[in-house]
Amino acid sequence: AQSVTQLGSHVSVSEGALVLLRCNYSSSVPPYLFWYVQYPNQGLQLLLKYTTGATLVKGINGFEAEFKKSETSFHLTKPSAHMSDAAEYFCAVSEPRKTNFGKGTSLLVTP
Amino acid sequence: DGGITQSPKYLFRKEGQNVTLSCEQNLNHDAMYWYRQDPGQGLRLIYYSQIVNDFQKGDIAEGYSVSREKKESFPLTVTSAQKNPTAFYLCASSIGTGGVVTEAFFGQGTRLTVV
Repeated sequence: AQSVTQLGSHVSVSEGALVLLRCNYSSSVPPYLFWYVQYPNQGLQLLLKYTTGATLVKGINGFEAEFKKSETSFHLTKPSAHMSDAAEYFCAVSEPRKTNFGKGTSLLVTP
Repeated sequence: DGGITQSPKYLFRKEGQNVTLSCEQNLNHDAMYWYRQDPGQGLRLIYYSQIVNDFQKGDIAEGYSVSREKKESFPLTVTSAQKNPTAFYLCASSIGTGGVVTEAFFGQGTRLTVV
């Protein structure tokens, strides 16, 4: 089964600082990788996805992620954090018929 | 607007009761999923369905049941056999060709509390 591991259950950054959320995957085949965001008491929303092609993927709200096969990583970044970025972020990998999610990283943005 | 509707948003259950969570989608998606979310544990798959009248157990199916009589609907019943049902439940759908899932669309969730 394919899986992802998110490093760090909580990350705190200052407003305007770089956001870096880490995700490593385990897959025996070329993976489809995703980042989703969840605000309190809401469902998940897709931020970005990697399927094939360009390894640097741009998403919504200024986020981007780079697929690095040699490092089996798919880290999420944003150059400058905004207070509205405070949320739970989930890395995920798809396999036939279902998606497997990481345990999530809670991002705190301080003024 | 197309989307997934879960109801109710909040649900309270007494010990020993069965309760049913509703999930309806108008995205014309073939595949539908139920996830359970607990703090610090991410999303765990309960059941999924790729087509009407067919569904498969996920990783934590014990104490839950589902049906898929219509393409648009995938209700989840939390039975009295589920010993710790208090959680946030999320329904999702995807295009569902039987291959790798390219994107999942989520409802707003139902928070179930045992009282």
